[in-house]
Amino acid sequence: DAGVIQSPRHEVTEMGQEVTLRCKPISGHNSLFWYRQTMMRGLELLIYFNNNVPIDDSGMPEDRFSAKMPNASFSTLKIQPSEPRDSAVYFCASSSLGGGTEAFFGQGTRLTVV
Amino acid sequence: GDSVTQMEGPVTLSEEAFLTINCTYTATGYPSLFWYVQYPGEGLQLLLKATKADDKGSNKGFEATYRKETTSFHLEKGSVQVSDSAVYFCALQGGGADGLTFGKGTHLIIQP
Repeated sequence: DAGVIQSPRHEVTEMGQEVTLRCKPISGHNSLFWYRQTMMRGLELLIYFNNNVPIDDSGMPEDRFSAKMPNASFSTLKIQPSEPRDSAVYFCASSSLGGGTEAFFGQGTRLTVV
Repeated sequence: GDSVTQMEGPVTLSEEAFLTINCTYTATGYPSLFWYVQYPGEGLQLLLKATKADDKGSNKGFEATYRKETTSFHLEKGSVQVSDSAVYFCALQGGGADGLTFGKGTHLIIQP
């Protein structure tokens, strides 16, 4: 398996534009997580899905952020409109259901909003 | 809510030195505990884990023991190498299929 695949790897956009980040989880995994990493706040869990259903989106910072998982092999994180403070590295991770199971991370998308 | 506290970095050591990175946690119930490592420009990789009290996780010479009485999961290695230079994250999973709660990370620098 190729692991968790995220695209794009880098994104530079202007303030106010819509940004869509994409994630393909590992085949067979039932849980998918979106994290944001910044120097100031470290790694923050934004939202996670179990069996394509959003379970906890309490980490989503504002209504400008939305996430979908239309099927077991694809998820998107959308920011509309984007702001400079959204600049961060966004990671997607997937795992099998169950406590204590390993989460596998993608390589991340580095987002810069200018 | 759940939280993880780990020592701030950077931690700079010489090759072959002994390493300890402290990690303590706050959680309800009986969480699973993890150490992840992040190399520059990459995502996080699982280093080791422990799912119940007194379990010891180990991998690549690193060890950590789940101490419920002190709510700790300190990472240790007897002799570090330059290739161990990375950022190390302590994390917990509260239960079921919950997401991981991470510490802020500790940047480890090993000098030859």
